Amino acid sequence: ELKVEQNPLFLSMQEGKNYTIYCNYSTTSDRLYWYRQDPGKSLESLFVLLSNGAVKQEGRLMASLDTKARLSTLHITAAVHDLSATYFCAVTDTGTASKLTFGTGTRLQVTL
Amino acid sequence: GAVVSQHPSRVICKSGTSVKIECRSLDFQATTMFWYRQFPKQSLMLMATSNEGSKATYEQGVEKDKFLINHASLTLSTLTVTSAHPEDSSFYICSARRMQGISEQFFGPGTRLTVL
Repeated sequence: ELKVEQNPLFLSMQEGKNYTIYCNYSTTSDRLYWYRQDPGKSLESLFVLLSNGAVKQEGRLMASLDTKARLSTLHITAAVHDLSATYFCAVTDTGTASKLTFGTGTRLQVTL
Repeated sequence: GAVVSQHPSRVICKSGTSVKIECRSLDFQATTMFWYRQFPKQSLMLMATSNEGSKATYEQGVEKDKFLINHASLTLSTLTVTSAHPEDSSFYICSARRMQGISEQFFGPGTRLTVL
């Protein structure tokens, strides 16, 4: 059974600081996703990572994938309040065609 | 492109009644749609995978007679919560996968169900 873990579960950070969210998964996978969820809302797609060593950046967020370590990171640079949300990683199991298993989620709170 | 809608966005019902939630892919055809449930401050849990024209595949622990899924066309899937109880109160989110192209799922806006 594919398991996906994130840490930390909760992150309170000051504006302007950098931090990294980690996503570990238990079996091989062919793609990894990062999503953002605001309170009461659905998911917003941030990144799709398809191969080992993939790195994608959008604004203050950068995601990377190490398939050998089964690890993805979401790095936040110079955080701003607008980034406050819950972030989920999700992984597809290679044998189940698009079936997503979600991580536990990281609730990010950016304070002034 | 790749817009998924859900209706209703919010529903409050009495215990024992049935509630139907619709999921539509507005600008693409979806061979597969997925239904998720999310309890407060928790992650999304896959309930079932819905393929057009065939029976849904339910995840372990999800009662298929309680959560009826119909995928009658390439743009519409419905989830009916039968004989709803307060413990069924949750945020239900659907997603749809395109027929062609990459297999990314596109998520609907969610339906907040409250059972009194």
